[in-house]
Amino acid sequence: DAKTTQPPSMDCAEGRAANLPCNHSTISGNEYVYWYRQIHSQGPQYIIHGLKNNETNEMASLIITEDRKSSTLILPHATLRDTAVYYCIVSARAGGTSYGKLTFGQGTILTVHP
Amino acid sequence: NAGVTQTPKFRVLKTGQSMTLLCAQDMNHEYMYWYRQDPGMGLRLIHYSVGEGTTAKGEVPDGYNVSRLKKQNFLLGLESAAPSQTSVYFCASRKGQSRSGANVLTFGAGSRLTVL
Repeated sequence: DAKTTQPPSMDCAEGRAANLPCNHSTISGNEYVYWYRQIHSQGPQYIIHGLKNNETNEMASLIITEDRKSSTLILPHATLRDTAVYYCIVSARAGGTSYGKLTFGQGTILTVHP
Repeated sequence: NAGVTQTPKFRVLKTGQSMTLLCAQDMNHEYMYWYRQDPGMGLRLIHYSVGEGTTAKGEVPDGYNVSRLKKQNFLLGLESAAPSQTSVYFCASRKGQSRSGANVLTFGAGSRLTVL
């Protein structure tokens, strides 16, 4: 699985958009970009994933650059409850020998301020 | 629908003692995983299972054993606990093969283990 690079920490004002960047310059063609988050003392929670196209769900939007070497997770209207560690993970399509294993790095600590 | 349930939530052991962490999921998921998380580090995969009766080693399997006798349960055992195994343990599960191949894992709330 390709390695990812994320800033260690970011701040955001409540109600504003939070844009969390991720670099994955060694991503290969069959690898997806996943975002998970972990609120203090809880288990990680799936947010969104994508392959090539931008994706949006009820939690967030994922913007993947055309060369797929980087992506941005967007929380459109951050709330205090969005304070968490956000993990960007690149992983091959589940199946074959990958068995859905995800490699979690250090992530970005997002702090949402009132 | 409880999702993924881990027991116990907290446990304190003495060096050399044994114990078993239980993970139960009610989503009929094929794949199950045990991760550990240490302060300042990301999650590291200990063992995983792709179906009932199967198990495989992850990144940090030493000192742990697992069993998947029933599809809904995945047990993590420590035969002789060591202080280095003090950690928070997370179980996760995932549906089997899907058309999208998506790795969408559902995690439990964690089990905090302290080995003195």
